[in-house]
Amino acid sequence: NAGVTQTPKFQVLKTGQSMTLQCAQDMNHNSMYWYRQDPGMGLRLIYYSASEGTTDKGEVPNGYNVSRLNKREFSLRLESAAPSQTSVYFCASRDREWEETQYFGPGTRLLVL
Amino acid sequence: AQSVTQLDSHVSVSEGTPVLLRCNYSSSYSPSLFWYVQHPNKGLQLLLKYTSAATLVKGINGFEAEFKKSETSFHLTKPSAHMSDAAEYFCVVIEESGGSNYKLTFGKGTLLTVNP
Repeated sequence: NAGVTQTPKFQVLKTGQSMTLQCAQDMNHNSMYWYRQDPGMGLRLIYYSASEGTTDKGEVPNGYNVSRLNKREFSLRLESAAPSQTSVYFCASRDREWEETQYFGPGTRLLVL
Repeated sequence: AQSVTQLDSHVSVSEGTPVLLRCNYSSSYSPSLFWYVQHPNKGLQLLLKYTSAATLVKGINGFEAEFKKSETSFHLTKPSAHMSDAAEYFCVVIEESGGSNYKLTFGKGTLLTVNP
């Protein structure tokens, strides 16, 4: 049981390049989340997916798109990366509606030059 | 609207002395409150959670937190700090406001350093 996995672990991009961050969970959880973590800001929600086939914006969605490919996988796409998107990105998942605990992946460290 | 305030961005203690990390919240509904820990270059790990049961919650690694509704606080404590406790700690409030509306808000984090 790997829990929540994220790829890649590290990435360096140039301004304007695109990339997709991958997230998968093997806990059969319904809800999945993407956060970014910046120094002194805590974690901020980018997008979430309450169930397969649905996605919703969080606090900071601009510049990002997401795809809930199936129940296991939730990807985050940067179409045209900007230096302001340099951050650590965490994916999380949650089980049923009455279970509040979120389980986090190890994070992807992204640097945009 | 809900919010979380971690009152100290950095706390420094000596090994063997008590730890206190402070968290205040505001919430329109009956909240659930969590503490997560993040060790350097690692993901987030759940330390403990309060979900309207006992107000004193015990977590992993000897940590505990007390929910005080009158003070809107959920401070994290540990009687005796260990070097391995050095990490960043996040207080989190979760609201479910009907219709499966679920909102999670993180505090900005408190960095705990433990001196030998």
